[in-house]
Amino acid sequence: GAVVSQHPSWVICKSGTSVKIECRSLDFQATTMFWYRQFPKQSLMLMATSNEGSKATYEQGVEKDKFLINHASLTLSTLTVTSAHPEDSSFYICSARDLSGNEQYFGPGTRLTVT
Amino acid sequence: GQNIDQPTEMTATEGAIVQINCTYQTSGFNGLFWYQQHAGEAPTFLSYNVLDGLEEKGRFSSFLSRSKGYSYLLLKELQMKDSASYLCAAMDSNYQLIWGAGTKLIIKP
Repeated sequence: GAVVSQHPSWVICKSGTSVKIECRSLDFQATTMFWYRQFPKQSLMLMATSNEGSKATYEQGVEKDKFLINHASLTLSTLTVTSAHPEDSSFYICSARDLSGNEQYFGPGTRLTVT
Repeated sequence: GQNIDQPTEMTATEGAIVQINCTYQTSGFNGLFWYQQHAGEAPTFLSYNVLDGLEEKGRFSSFLSRSKGYSYLLLKELQMKDSASYLCAAMDSNYQLIWGAGTKLIIKP
């Protein structure tokens, strides 16, 4: 089946630093990738939709200058949390949609802790 | 607006059967998904329905009624490892997933 990887799996950083999270589709091409955030005991919250070669579409309330998304190829999207603060601590999950558009495959998630 | 409703929490006994309901309202419809999510992990795909009826896959089955905007996930022969959150998501006309808040399923011995 389709596999999506994320790196790193977990990261601890100091307040004010930036963190980059990579999302890769390993065995299929993904024209669209999605970035979600999930706080403890809450459902997934879509942050942005990333299309290869174009600017990401951000959901209302998500700061595009704080959460930089780059989708440079059909197999790689990156999310950079800039000037991270403790309230950015969360579980970040990416998903990739295959060319058929019928299913999303999720990465294993990245747990970010900002101290 | 677009909306997904599912119960917040359900409790069932090991070995029994449980049905998790989901109702949806979306702008257009391109299918209904069920995902399982264990605490601290990413969701994993369980099922996809786009036509009316029941899809069976081992101990798990999923049902869809498009006219009623209704789906359910049926879990048989419950095992302790089935304790997880079950997320219902409907795909709208733009192929975007609209997510429910998830149903936390607690299995008791």
